[in-house]
Amino acid sequence: GESVGLHLPTLSVQEGDNSIINCAYSNSASDYFIWYKQESGKGPQFIIDIRSNMDKRQGQRVTVLLNKTVKHLSLQIAATQPGDSAVYFCAESDLNTDKLIFGTGTRLQVFP
Amino acid sequence: GAVVSQHPSRVICKSGTSVKIECRSLDFQATTMFWYRQFPKQSLMLMATSNEGSKATYEQGVEKDKFLINHASLTLSTLTVTSAHPEDSSFYICSAPWWQGRNTEAFFGQGTRLTVV
Repeated sequence: GESVGLHLPTLSVQEGDNSIINCAYSNSASDYFIWYKQESGKGPQFIIDIRSNMDKRQGQRVTVLLNKTVKHLSLQIAATQPGDSAVYFCAESDLNTDKLIFGTGTRLQVFP
Repeated sequence: GAVVSQHPSRVICKSGTSVKIECRSLDFQATTMFWYRQFPKQSLMLMATSNEGSKATYEQGVEKDKFLINHASLTLSTLTVTSAHPEDSSFYICSAPWWQGRNTEAFFGQGTRLTVV
């Protein structure tokens, strides 16, 4: 079903540290998951995706982990930089529909 | 990557008037586009699926007569907020999926900030 909007939780990290952002998804039939970054006043920007037949996928400085048993998704950002400050959303999709359902979102704040 | 352009980026309108927002896929064709609404400090809420050449599919709780969607070509979908009221003030975002072999990636417009006064 639809994700209900809530006030965004915030994760504060020091520059250079690793960040872990978590997401619980709702539909056990979802088979495709994406992490997006959204800066203020802009549309979401694709970061990394993962299909349900995988449990881990790595990109440049980012790693996504998928635990289908507990319907949990996480985004790990290595060596967090000030430019990483933004709101991060996970989204789930059924590959048959291309329709994305967004999670609540987490605001990442990076301080020096 | 593919580009989705949304226009206008900001609009202020008087209560009771209608506002049209355009979403264009610039370098690919999109038979389907999606419209989202985002309130401050909240997530994106899917409003409707825009289908080229046929009626849009609305999510539960979204008034189809208030949010008119037209997808007249393979590169353009429009969302018209009719008889807008202050509670319609929000950030509206469109997206279009683009098939890239194994996966379909969604490309998002820049968003439209609607303020109804």
